[in-house]
Amino acid sequence: AQTVTQSQPEMSVQEAETVTLSCTYDTSESDYYLFWYKQPPSRQMILVIRQEAYKQQNATENRFSVNFQKAAKSFSLKISDSQLGDAAMYFCAYRGGSQGNLIFGKGTKLSVKP
Amino acid sequence: DAGITQSPRHKVTETGTPVTLRCHQTENHRYMYWYRQDPGHGLRLIHYSYGVKDTDKGEVSDGYSVSRSKTEDFLLTLESATSSQTSVYFCAISDSPRNYGYTFGSGTRLTVV
Repeated sequence: AQTVTQSQPEMSVQEAETVTLSCTYDTSESDYYLFWYKQPPSRQMILVIRQEAYKQQNATENRFSVNFQKAAKSFSLKISDSQLGDAAMYFCAYRGGSQGNLIFGKGTKLSVKP
Repeated sequence: DAGITQSPRHKVTETGTPVTLRCHQTENHRYMYWYRQDPGHGLRLIHYSYGVKDTDKGEVSDGYSVSRSKTEDFLLTLESATSSQTSVYFCAISDSPRNYGYTFGSGTRLTVV
């Protein structure tokens, strides 16, 4: 069975600085998709970025980028120029298999200091 | 917004009572999901549906049942609520089995006392 591990329960970053959130996963599949979701205090789940496993190029969305290392089964999220509004829980998620249900890590709580 | 609503948003219920949570979508997506979120556990899949009357169990399905009689509605029932089912419940929808993420509802906070 696939698993997703986020080893950092909490992280902190200074406003305008860069922070990297770690995620590793375990799978025997070759075709799958990886996601980062953001959950602010409002509780809403917001898709931040997605990566197709067959693409070598790392995905980027404005200040958010990933470092996808397929061989190492690593999928970290880098947030550049951190803003107060980036403070949230961040979940790494994996999607593959015949049904393709999303499997989530336990989350990393990111605090942004002014 | 993606057109997915959950009701109620908050609920307090007593141990042993049945509870039904509703998820309604206006996107005509085929796939619908129920997750629960607990501190230290992330989101865990309870049940999912891949079409009308087609449902299957997820990772934490014990004590829960679901029904989907129409494309737009997916109901989650706690047959006899227990304190361990105190949680935040999220519904999600998807129009693709794999290559896109889900769109989530705003969640239901359920407290069982």
